[in-house]
Amino acid sequence: AQTVTQSQPEMSVQEAETVTLSCTYDTSESDYYLFWYKQPPSRQMILVIRQEAYKQQNATENRFSVNFQKAAKSFSLKISDSQLGDAAMYFCAYGGGLPNAGKSTFGDGTTLTVKP
Amino acid sequence: AAGVIQSPRHLIKEKRETATLKCYPIPRHDTVYWYQQGPGQDPQFLISFYEKMQSDKGSIPDRFSAQQFSDYHSELNMSSLELGDSALYFCASSLLTASGANVLTFGAGSRLTVL
Repeated sequence: AQTVTQSQPEMSVQEAETVTLSCTYDTSESDYYLFWYKQPPSRQMILVIRQEAYKQQNATENRFSVNFQKAAKSFSLKISDSQLGDAAMYFCAYGGGLPNAGKSTFGDGTTLTVKP
Repeated sequence: AAGVIQSPRHLIKEKRETATLKCYPIPRHDTVYWYQQGPGQDPQFLISFYEKMQSDKGSIPDRFSAQQFSDYHSELNMSSLELGDSALYFCASSLLTASGANVLTFGAGSRLTVL
C-alpha cells in the first residue's frame, strides 16, 4: 500500500517570501502521479500542481513549483512570492497509474499561514 | 466550465437514520470517487466507479453503499448513522487518459452532521 507523509503540520511565511512544504511517499509502483491540493477555509479541494513520475522535469504552475526526487521519494512544494490568499491547508497526494489508476492517498496536510 | 456538483451541501441527521448524498460529475468524465474527510483529518478514499461499475473500494463501512447511474451521477447511501460519520464527504470525478492520469476535480463537498 502507498503511504504519504507530510512532516510539517504547520508552516508560516511572510507575505512575498518563499516557503517550501515537504512530502515523502512510499510506493512499489513505477508509474504514478503526485499532486498538491490546497484546501482553504471554504473546504473546497483545489488542485495546485501535479507531477507525472515518468517525467524528470519538475512541474511548475506560476508561483508554485515542485522538487521531485524520485529516488528519494520526495515531492516538495515551493510557493514563491507568497500571498495572503495562499493561506490554506495543503495536502500532498499520491495517485497510481494504469492499471491501478484510481484512488488517491493523501498525506495528513500542512496548514500554511501567511503573515502580512 | 461545469464543475462537480454535490447535493445537499449540508445535512443534519439523527443517529440510526439514513442519508443519501448525490454527485453529478463533470460531463464526459468517466470516473467518480467518494472521499470522507473527518474534522482535522485528511480525505479518506471510500469508493470509486468507472463507467458505472465499481472500480475500487477503500475504507467504506458496510453500512454505506454507493452506485453510479446511467446518467453518470452517483449516490452514496449511508444507513444506521453513527456520530463518527459526521464529516465532509467529497465527490470527485476524472477522465482517465491513455497514460492513466487520474487528475481529480473535487466537488464542494457535503457536510453531514449526525446528532
